[in-house]
Amino acid sequence: EAQVTQNPRYLITVTGKKLTVTCSQNMNHEYMSWYRQDPGLGLRQIYYSMNVEVTDKGDVPEGYKVSRKEKRNFPLILESPSPNQTSLYFCASSLMGDVREKLFFGSGTQLSVL
Amino acid sequence: KNEVEQSPQNLTAQEGEFITINCSYSVGISALHWLQQHPGGGIVSLFMLSSGKKKHGRLIATINIQEKHSSLHITASHPRDSAVYICAAPRTGANNLFFGTGTRLTVIP
Repeated sequence: EAQVTQNPRYLITVTGKKLTVTCSQNMNHEYMSWYRQDPGLGLRQIYYSMNVEVTDKGDVPEGYKVSRKEKRNFPLILESPSPNQTSLYFCASSLMGDVREKLFFGSGTQLSVL
Repeated sequence: KNEVEQSPQNLTAQEGEFITINCSYSVGISALHWLQQHPGGGIVSLFMLSSGKKKHGRLIATINIQEKHSSLHITASHPRDSAVYICAAPRTGANNLFFGTGTRLTVIP
């Protein structure tokens, strides 16, 4: 089944403890991206990647890192999480290295930083 | 000011009604996505369009790039259409997306 898989679904952690949220797609998509969703602010883009080894900042990249070593994986890394990074996170992908293609979303990761 | 404005923010409709959700943007774009998010959080892409009109079942999306406006229509609405509808667009020449804050639709049986 074609899908974008995010893990974990829920994560509770403490300030400063490094964590990684994984994102994997099995559709050979070139474009992958991360978003956070907060009440009243909606969805905001964190980082995106147009292909392997090509990443770029979205609107809210501070406090996050990404890497794209393989086409299928695009992990989101929080080196030193803080409470203001408590949010619902989504990964998405599209076929070409272009955000003007249909987007496929993961099921989301609810992160709480205490 | 948000670059993408959606209206209305909240909408309650009776089952069977025709529904329109609007999205206006203040910067140049070349395409626009309509997304649906059900309670429980999953996001599904409904449409991506750069001109004219697209139809899928009871859903119709239109866009006028010059007027910087897009609409999502739902014909014969049903309670299962209850969700948050979000428009999103890349700035012209860019590959990062910016989003509207969403329209929460509730369809009452």
